Amino acid sequence: AAGVIQSPRHLIKEKRETATLKCYPIPRHDTVYWYQQGPGQDPQFLISFYEKMQSDKGSIPDRFSAQQFSDYHSELNMSSLELGDSALYFCASSLGIGGVNEQFFGPGTRLTVL
Amino acid sequence: GQQVMQIPQYQHVQEGEDFTTYCNSSTTLSNIQWYKQRPGGHPVFLIQLVKSGEVKKQKRLTFQFGEAKKNSSLHITATQTTDVGTYFCAGPEYGGATNKLIFGTGTLLAVQP
Repeated sequence: AAGVIQSPRHLIKEKRETATLKCYPIPRHDTVYWYQQGPGQDPQFLISFYEKMQSDKGSIPDRFSAQQFSDYHSELNMSSLELGDSALYFCASSLGIGGVNEQFFGPGTRLTVL
Repeated sequence: GQQVMQIPQYQHVQEGEDFTTYCNSSTTLSNIQWYKQRPGGHPVFLIQLVKSGEVKKQKRLTFQFGEAKKNSSLHITATQTTDVGTYFCAGPEYGGATNKLIFGTGTLLAVQP
């Protein structure tokens, strides 16, 4: 079965650079969630989209922005990168936005900021 | 804000021993989900509990949702080396309209052969 695809899998950037992370949800899934996981930490919710509209926002810095496109894939844009942005970034997808919907996580993008 | 704590933070067992992780939320949860994350991997959905007092089993794994819907537990019988990983409970944000998850602090399970 098709899973959530994330690219790139690894990314190394310098401070103050920009980065774009991409997420391709499972076919027919209309909801995408972005999470950030620091070393030894639990995933922290950043932002979510439902039917191409932002549906919820968490602890996402103003330097970050995201959107969901017409084909339901999503991109997380990160600017003015800081050392503290180094983390694993997971995208998850689900069908629907409310109720009881399990989330399927992608393999993650490991971002290292030097 | 809403907090979801898990204990223990880390557990080391001998293969064949049992293991339990406990999850406690500061607020009532509409449902609780459990995820497993292998070292270097991504969270993988295990199960979802919705009803107060619900108990579900998956082979050697037993999941329970508390009567007050504020706590949950995962019990593994006769652990195997394949059980190694971090187990997270997660629940929707209290009062939220979406299904964004608040993850627990996680329990890292190490199994010695």
